[in-house]
Amino acid sequence: NAGVTQTPKFRVLKTGQSMTLLCAQDMNHEYMYWYRQDPGMGLRLIHYSVGEGTTAKGEVPDGYNVSRLKKQNFLLGLESAAPSQTSVYFCASRPPGLGLNSNQPQHFGDGTRLSIL
Amino acid sequence: GENVEQHPSTLSVQEGDSAVIKCTYSDSASNYFPWYKQELGKRPQLIIDIRSNVGEKKDQRIAVTLNKTAKHFSLHITETQPEDSAVYFCAASNRGTYKYIFGTGTRLKVLA
Repeated sequence: NAGVTQTPKFRVLKTGQSMTLLCAQDMNHEYMYWYRQDPGMGLRLIHYSVGEGTTAKGEVPDGYNVSRLKKQNFLLGLESAAPSQTSVYFCASRPPGLGLNSNQPQHFGDGTRLSIL
Repeated sequence: GENVEQHPSTLSVQEGDSAVIKCTYSDSASNYFPWYKQELGKRPQLIIDIRSNVGEKKDQRIAVTLNKTAKHFSLHITETQPEDSAVYFCAASNRGTYKYIFGTGTRLKVLA
């Protein structure tokens, strides 16, 4: 199993360009997440999904859109890239769990380093 | 909103000494607390987690303690080694939401 795979690994964009980051997981996980990581700020949640066809806003959703058309894929889109979106983006997934163990560890991808000039 | 505070932001210890990282959470309904280790340029990886029905959990040189009354939990690493050098993140989650709130991270340096 590959786990969580993110593509691309690196990308440089110009301000105003658009792009889509792809996250794919082969663990049959229900829940998927997109985070951005900036120095000194930890991991901040952008959007998340609790199942195919569902998405929800996280802590910092502005300027991003997401789609979960297939259970195994979670796409993060930047409509009009801005320098403030320069960051490392991590995707994560986890199973739902049951009862008292309904919270389960998240599994992370290797990240996408995005620079916007 | 929910918040997790993590201290210290940087920590340097001599090889063989112990390291302690502390986190405080604001949501009293939080019931799951994972710790992640992130080496430079790598993905965060789970190293240990604890649920609210347990006060302490150990795994070899790593232990986590939880004080629900004070709403804080700590990571303890004993007999530190150079390969323990990394950034460590705590997180908190409650059963009613699907989200994890992460601390801002602690950069641990183990000096040989």
